[in-house]
Amino acid sequence: EVQLVESGGGLVQPGRSLRVSCVASGFTFDDYAMHWVRQAPGKGLEWVSGISWNSGNIGYADSVKGRFTISRDNAKNSLYLQMNSLRAEDTALYYCAKGAQLVLSHFDYWGQGTLVTVSS
Amino acid sequence: DIQMTQSPSTLSASVGDRVTITCRASQSISSWLAWYQQKPGKAPKLLIYKASSLESGVPSRFSGSGSGTEFTLTISSLQPDDFATYYCQQYDSYSFTFGPGTKVDIK
Repeated sequence: EVQLVESGGGLVQPGRSLRVSCVASGFTFDDYAMHWVRQAPGKGLEWVSGISWNSGNIGYADSVKGRFTISRDNAKNSLYLQMNSLRAEDTALYYCAKGAQLVLSHFDYWGQGTLVTVSS
Repeated sequence: DIQMTQSPSTLSASVGDRVTITCRASQSISSWLAWYQQKPGKAPKLLIYKASSLESGVPSRFSGSGSGTEFTLTISSLQPDDFATYYCQQYDSYSFTFGPGTKVDIK
């Protein structure tokens, strides 16, 4: 059974940093791209960042480019999102999602999310 | 970047109704489109990929069609479990844009 478990969310002040993590199980982690998708309270889904199976292809939404860094550790079946210079508008539930293929594809499994709140 | 729009934004329907949601892309995305269902407090669930391929385990009352810039999600006979918000997503380019969502509620 595929499982994606996010952690690391919490309350952080504007301008500070936070790293969220996702541990995967139930599939061969290094065979698939992985992504972060966020959802602000009461709003729709926004793709944040994605990383291919070997970290050779990485992309970011314009809204986070230069502030967020995605990475993965295939030996630990883990995905990370380092978030710097956080803003109030980054407040959201952050989902980890599995790509269905190595690089470009739809997302076939999602975690339950970790909540990041940016507020003073 | 590719922009996605959906219509309607809200749809009121009854159990047994045939429901159609439209998704449009700002440029051609071939068939690289997925549909997701999200219920309150839950993670999104994949329904359809590559515009018309039904994800394993998803009821056959769900179907998708379209290519290029215009796509539709159809629920042939709405069931109580289908009241939710539906999102389309393009994956033609590494921007993976989602549509704004269509909420299907009870008439």
